[in-house]
Amino acid sequence: NAGVTQTPKFRILKIGQSMTLQCTQDMNHNYMYWYRQDPGMGLKLIYYSVGAGITDKGEVPNGYNVSRSTTEDFPLRLELAAPSQTSVYFCASSSPTDLINYGYTFGSGTRLTVV
Amino acid sequence: AQSVTQLGSHVSVSEGALVLLRCNYSSSVPPYLFWYVQYPNQGLQLLLKYTSAATLVKGINGFEAEFKKSETSFHLTKPSAHMRDAAEYFCAVSDPGGKLIFGQGTTLQVKP
Repeated sequence: NAGVTQTPKFRILKIGQSMTLQCTQDMNHNYMYWYRQDPGMGLKLIYYSVGAGITDKGEVPNGYNVSRSTTEDFPLRLELAAPSQTSVYFCASSSPTDLINYGYTFGSGTRLTVV
Repeated sequence: AQSVTQLGSHVSVSEGALVLLRCNYSSSVPPYLFWYVQYPNQGLQLLLKYTSAATLVKGINGFEAEFKKSETSFHLTKPSAHMRDAAEYFCAVSDPGGKLIFGQGTTLQVKP
């Protein structure tokens, strides 16, 4: 059981470049989330999805886009990378039952540096 | 709106000493509360959770937390710290839609 898989683990982008952070889960969870983690700031929610075809903004959505064409995949897109997007990005998934029993299942993260 | 405040961004204890990491929450509904641990360069791992059952919750690695509604607190404790407990710890509250709101995190340092 792979859980939540994120790729790549590390990436360096130049300002203005674009990239997609991949996230896949194999637990048939309806709920998926993208967070960014910055030192001393905890985790901030970027976007979330409650099912295929449904996405919504979180606390810090500017500069990002998402899609949810399947239950398994929830990619995060950066269109014009900026230094402020240097961060560690975590994808997570859950279901109403799993939230009560297990909380979220997190991926191992993507460390992104924009130079 | 739900929010979480973790008091103390860094906590340092000696090996064998009591660990106390503080978390206060704000919630408009009965909350679900969680503590997660993050070891260096890893993702977040669930330590324990409160979901309206027993107010004293036991988790993995000898940690426990007590839900105190009157104090809106959910502090994390461990009687005796071990070197392997050095990590960052996050408290989180679930909002009515099931999204987790995280605190700022507390880095636990364990000195030999």
